[in-house]
Amino acid sequence: QVQLQESGPGLVKPSETLSLTCTVSGGSISSYYWSWIRQPAGKGLEWIGRIYTSGSTNYNPSLKSRVTMSVDTSKNQFSLKLSSVTAADTAVYYCARGGQDYDLRYNWFDPWGQGTLVTVSS
Amino acid sequence: DIQLTQSPSFLSASVGDRVTITCRASQGISSYLAWYQQKPGKAPKLLIYAASTLQSGVPSRFSGSGSGTEFTLTISSLQPEDFATYYCQQLNSYPQTFGQGTKLEIK
Repeated sequence: QVQLQESGPGLVKPSETLSLTCTVSGGSISSYYWSWIRQPAGKGLEWIGRIYTSGSTNYNPSLKSRVTMSVDTSKNQFSLKLSSVTAADTAVYYCARGGQDYDLRYNWFDPWGQGTLVTVSS
Repeated sequence: DIQLTQSPSFLSASVGDRVTITCRASQGISSYLAWYQQKPGKAPKLLIYAASTLQSGVPSRFSGSGSGTEFTLTISSLQPEDFATYYCQQLNSYPQTFGQGTKLEIK
């Protein structure tokens, strides 16, 4: 079955850019929407945004000015960049598969990657 | 953004109990709601989507109901592996948002 794995630096300095990659295995990345979600320690979940395999994106307005997502179908990967990070961006970052429909109402997440902790600190 | 409020935030129960978790939306979201289970140190797992549709492979003791602004997740007979934190997610309005979570603990 489809599995997702996040990768990237676990420590990022304040004001720098957080960069993560999600590798999809066991199936094709094509024809699905792929999302990033984050969870600060002991807190709830926040949807960051999603990307389609065409490169079309939707971002959470609260983060839109700092987020860039991209996709590399040849590598079955998609990526997240979050600029100008602060301590408030410290969280476990998950990648997840959404639906195949443009309509966000069908964009529940399954499966998820195991998550990767990113700490913002100097 | 639509706010989702789960109640209770903490729930203590015993194996074999029937438990219900409620998720209330700040405005109507039709049936565009999903439920997830998260165990410590693990990623959330999809249990239910479209308010009441059981995800493939999820035990039938889990069920969901509701529409509009009030939704429930019911576990008919708690098993040891069900002790976890549960989150609801609304998909009706952009951006999609999650409830604050309900932690289900062993009594």
